[in-house]
Amino acid sequence: DAGITQSPRHKVTETGTPVTLRCHQTENHRYMYWYRQDPGHGLRLIHYSYGVKDTDKGEVSDGYSVSRSKTEDFLLTLESATSSQTSVYFCAISEPMGLQYNEQFFGPGTRLTVL
Amino acid sequence: EDQVTQSPEALRLQEGESSSLNCSYTVSGLRGLFWYRQDPGKGPEFLFTLYSAGEEKEKERLKATLTKKESFLHITAPKPEDSATYLCAVQARDSGYSTLTFGKGTMLLVSP
Repeated sequence: DAGITQSPRHKVTETGTPVTLRCHQTENHRYMYWYRQDPGHGLRLIHYSYGVKDTDKGEVSDGYSVSRSKTEDFLLTLESATSSQTSVYFCAISEPMGLQYNEQFFGPGTRLTVL
Repeated sequence: EDQVTQSPEALRLQEGESSSLNCSYTVSGLRGLFWYRQDPGKGPEFLFTLYSAGEEKEKERLKATLTKKESFLHITAPKPEDSATYLCAVQARDSGYSTLTFGKGTMLLVSP
């Protein structure tokens, strides 16, 4: 398994509170990603990073921010959590090499419930 | 807009009963098509990457094939441990290395 950990693995919070999810990798991969997975929608990209302090928005970025101060850590922050952000969040990593090796490897996920 | 449609949504097989899962895609220039397996409560596990039409890859009882419009995941003589949700994703040539567009998955249940 790719060396990816996510913390916490489960979290219950209340509407309006800030929440930070952490992804940590030991593979030294350049790219890191945050996805959310919801029934009926599949996996959707929230934000991604292509290097330290280099990030960009994905398909569903509203209400989320990210930071990457070290190669191994990628943080996802919900500034003010809403019930619509109840979901399972996955971190992924990749180290593309030209036309090959574009695979993304996923972490175990964080189940977030916003009451 | 890139699109991925997987069918069927769910498939129930008896152990040993071979079948195929379909992934139809629309993308403006394919860089790669990816298959993943996802067990309940876990993250997706990478299975295969296919890069060009006609390419095939195999792993144990699984074989993935690719045409210009779709990919198939063939499961030969499945066992109960093959039960999982199988996800297909595409990456467009002009998306950089950022974007994978995922289908909603096919949930496979293999009964003993």
